[in-house]
Amino acid sequence: ETGVTQTPRHLVMGMTNKKSLKCEQHLGHNAMYWYKQSAKKPLELMFVYNFKEQTENNSVPSRFSPECPNSSHLFLHLHTLQPEDSALYLCASSQDFTGTGNSPLHFGNGTRLTVT
Amino acid sequence: AQSVSQHNHHVILSEAASLELGCNYSYGGTVNLFWYVQYPGQHLQLLLKYFSGDPLVKGIKGFEAEFIKSKFSFNLRKPSVQWSDTAEYFCAVIPRGTGANNLFFGTGTRLTVIP
Repeated sequence: ETGVTQTPRHLVMGMTNKKSLKCEQHLGHNAMYWYKQSAKKPLELMFVYNFKEQTENNSVPSRFSPECPNSSHLFLHLHTLQPEDSALYLCASSQDFTGTGNSPLHFGNGTRLTVT
Repeated sequence: AQSVSQHNHHVILSEAASLELGCNYSYGGTVNLFWYVQYPGQHLQLLLKYFSGDPLVKGIKGFEAEFIKSKFSFNLRKPSVQWSDTAEYFCAVIPRGTGANNLFFGTGTRLTVIP
């Protein structure tokens, strides 16, 4: 049990669809993250939230829209995606966001997204 | 820009063989270093980490890694691998003092251990 739960595990959507990915952490952490994992590429940080406030947006296209209603929940809203957006989307959390990197990330199992 | 290089994309070993996976990073300042592992069908999890002190750090399941500052390296080692070590291994770096908690990952190395 990872303590970070992502739903759904798999998602297939057309380019005109709107869908949302959900992440919930049960660890009492204060920071939450979205990462994108594509084949043969390093994990890419997309968004960071610290105490519900967005602190990082790594030049992510506006077709990805994050939402963090509280420290335990994180959403990624998807609309008009492209086939190249197909990837594994990982949610992670950490105890704090001090900038020192002393708070390891805890990852969820990810959502495998396929855009057709 | 910071980057993390993992030179081996896929390593195949027999059980009991010794393992060394390479990791090099490009950031010139102080860094925190990590190895994460992803077993088949499971989530990424922390294997070991280095922040300061003894450059030889020990992690779970008999893994260790050595930080060599002059070589900007943080290679992962295990003296004798087991079939259950089959997984994907990711090296990651956080530059310190940059005000961000952005973990820079390598592309990963897939390890296959043959019984």
